[in-house]
Amino acid sequence: NAGVTQTPKFQVLKTGQSMTLQCAQDMNHEYMSWYRQDPGMGLRLIHYSVGAGITDQGEVPNGYNVSRSTTEDFPLRLLSAAPSQTSVYFCASSYTRTGLNKRTYTWAEAFFGQGTRLTVV
Amino acid sequence: TQLLEQSPQFLSIQEGENLTVYCNSSSVFSSLQWYRQEPGEGPVLLVTVVTGGEVKKLKRLTFQFGDARKDSSLHITAAQPGDTGLYLCAGTRGYGNKLVFGAGTILRVKS
Repeated sequence: NAGVTQTPKFQVLKTGQSMTLQCAQDMNHEYMSWYRQDPGMGLRLIHYSVGAGITDQGEVPNGYNVSRSTTEDFPLRLLSAAPSQTSVYFCASSYTRTGLNKRTYTWAEAFFGQGTRLTVV
Repeated sequence: TQLLEQSPQFLSIQEGENLTVYCNSSSVFSSLQWYRQEPGEGPVLLVTVVTGGEVKKLKRLTFQFGDARKDSSLHITAAQPGDTGLYLCAGTRGYGNKLVFGAGTILRVKS
């Protein structure tokens, strides 16, 4: 069981180039998301998807596109790379758990890939 | 401004010492989670707390969710070098799946 697989692990781009970061999961999770991690800032949500054919913007979506044609795959596209996009990118898939304790509530538990370290020069 | 504020940002201690990491917010969360991340790897879920006042133990790690569901803490007893890593708290609000992360606490345990 591979979990969440990201490729490539490392990438160097020139300013203005485009590329696609690949993400695949084999856990049949409906929810998938992309984060970027920068020093001192934790993980910030770029885009997410609640199921095949449905995507939405997160906290820092500018300069990135996503699509979700299948449950398994959620690629992230950089349209025209900029040095500000130098970061480590993580893909995650989540399943929803439901608790019942005087109230009904749900929460997600995320499984992360190993990350893609991207440098834009 | 981070919705979840973690403190301290960095902690360097000797093996055998105890430590506590805090995760605070002015907002109410339906769940709070703690992840641990090692260099070159993605975060790995340690625990989820969902009920105000809840306490969970995972070997030498104790996690607590505040009564008002606005804060959480992670306490490590007798830290070991293998505990070294980045500890991230994350929360969900309402019924959504969106996770909001704190900036993280870098823990270094020296032998």
